[in-house]
Amino acid sequence: EVQLVESGGGLVQPGGSLKLSCAASGFTFSGSSMHWVRQASGIGLEWVGRIGSKADRYATTYAASVKGRFTISRDDSKNTAYLQMSSLKAEDTAVYYCTRLSGTPSDHWGQGTLVTVSS
Amino acid sequence: QSVLTQPPSVSGAPGQRVTISCTGSSSNIGAGYDVHWYQQLPGTAPKLLIYSNNNRPSGVPDRFSGSKSGTSASLAITGLQAEDETAYYCQSYDTSLSAYVFGTGTKVTVL
Repeated sequence: EVQLVESGGGLVQPGGSLKLSCAASGFTFSGSSMHWVRQASGIGLEWVGRIGSKADRYATTYAASVKGRFTISRDDSKNTAYLQMSSLKAEDTAVYYCTRLSGTPSDHWGQGTLVTVSS
Repeated sequence: QSVLTQPPSVSGAPGQRVTISCTGSSSNIGAGYDVHWYQQLPGTAPKLLIYSNNNRPSGVPDRFSGSKSGTSASLAITGLQAEDETAYYCQSYDTSLSAYVFGTGTKVTVL
């Protein structure tokens, strides 16, 4: 069974940093691109960024709204993807999902982790 | 602000057919990128409903269908049921933004 489990969310002050983790199981993690998508309360889905597989040289791309502040990484030996967030703003408050966003029946999402940026 | 526009809400009586549009541009849907549709129940992660414009993953009822033409795509729900009352999002890729994009989302209400 495929599982994606996010962790690391919580309350952080504006300007602070936070690192989210996404532990994967049930599929070949090392061969998969991984994405982060967020959703502010009552608002729609926003793509945050993506990291490719080793074959893709672990290439990363980001949404304009987070570029320069967020960094996606991965550790294939631990089947885990990460989202390092810095210079956080109130508007970054959201539930953050990790997902394969594969556009195929192998599309899977985690349950999400809540990040609240507030003083 | 999303580059894929959906109507905020659509509604229909049980058994009726409703459609949700997803309007893009020449840099995303019109450029030939596939459109995928997600269903999101309250408090849960999105679930893939339609992939690659018009394909249903195993387990998705054939009441759901997708289509794509030009710079737009549509999701149709026939035989509307109470359990279909939730939010739906389209998703594609935008070459100008070099980013994956989601639609603005549509809430379906069963009258």
